[in-house]
Parts: sequence; structure tokens; C-alpha cells
Amino acid sequence: AQKITQTQPGMFVQEKEAVTLDCTYDTSDPSYGLFWYKQPSSGEMIFLIYQGSYDQQNATEGRYSLNFQKARKSANLVISASQLGDSAMYFCAMREVVYNQGGKLIFGQGTELSVKP
Amino acid sequence: DADVTQTPRNRITKTGKRIMLECSQTKGHDRMYWYRQDPGLGLRLIYYSFDVKDINKGEISDGYSVSRQAQAKFSLSLESAIPNQTALYFCATSDLDSSGTYGYTFGSGTRLTVV
Repeated sequence: AQKITQTQPGMFVQEKEAVTLDCTYDTSDPSYGLFWYKQPSSGEMIFLIYQGSYDQQNATEGRYSLNFQKARKSANLVISASQLGDSAMYFCAMREVVYNQGGKLIFGQGTELSVKP
Repeated sequence: DADVTQTPRNRITKTGKRIMLECSQTKGHDRMYWYRQDPGLGLRLIYYSFDVKDINKGEISDGYSVSRQAQAKFSLSLESAIPNQTALYFCATSDLDSSGTYGYTFGSGTRLTVV
């Protein structure tokens, strides 16, 4: 069965520093997608970044980058130059293939990030 | 208007009551999902539907039922609410490819409290 694991329930980072949020996954499908979402205290789910299993390069979106290590089955999120507004819960998720097409998302437990001024 | 709208946003209900959470979308997506979020557990899939005639149980479907009234509407029901169904509930939609930024769209969530 497919599984996503986030082992850091909570993390602190100093403002303007970089931080890495860990995510490991387990799947036997050769085709899969990995997502990171941000959930601020208001509760909405905000898409941050996506990495496809066949993508040759690590995904980047502004201050967010995904450190994709396929052999190790890890997809860590790196946030550069942390800002106070980055304080939130962060979820790693994997798209499970259904009917040979993209389907349901499986989520990790989440990491709560606190940025200190 | 939001692409995926959930109603109500907040609800307090009593144990044993029937309650329906509604989700409607303007994305034109065929695929819709219901998740619940509990602290420390992330989001877990309750039910999903790939079209009006295709409804599937997710990881934690016991105690829940769904109805896909149209492509744009997917409702979640708790037939007899119990306190451990207190959670934040999300509706989501996806397109066929479901990759990248246009992959999944989430509603704002419904915070349900069962007392």
C-alpha cells in the first residue's frame, strides 16, 4: 500500500533562514506525483509545489524547492529565506494512480512550522 | 465565488443527529473527494467519486455516506453523528491529469463539532 511519512511533528526556524521539511514515501507504482501543501491557521489548503516521478529536475516555485531523491523515496520541501508568514502546517501528499490515471491523494501527518522573528 | 464551495463552514451538532455537508464546484472536474483532518493524522480519505455513477469508499468510510447529485455536487452525510466525528472536513476536486498546479482544488473546509 502507498504511504507518506512526515517524521517532524513540529519545527522552528529563525526568520530569513532556510528550513527543510522531511517527507518519505512508499509506492510500487512507477508513475506517481508528489505534492506539498501549506495550511495556515485559517485552515485552507494552499498548493505549494509538485514533482512528477519522471521529472528529471527538482521542482522549484519561488522560495520553495523540492529535494527529490527517487532512490531514497524522499521528497523534502526546502523553504529559503523564511518569513513570519510561513508559519503554518505543511503537508506532503502523493497521488495514487487509479484506473491508470491520476487519482486520490494520500497525505502525510503534517509538520507544523513556526518561524521566529 | 470560490471554485469549490463547502457549506456550512462551521457546524455544531448533537450526538445521534443526521447531518449533511455539501460541496459544489465550478471547476468542471469529474473527480471529487471528501477528506477529514484530525490533529496528528493529516487528511484521510472518506469517499471519492470519479464521475456521477462512480463512487468509492476511501480509507475511513464507516459512519459516512455520500451522494453525487451532479457533476458539480458531492454531499457527505453522517447518518448518526458521534463525538469522534468531530473534525475538519475538506471537499476537493481534480481533473483527469491531476498533476501540477491545476491538479487538485480544495474547498475552505467545514469544521464539524459533535457534542
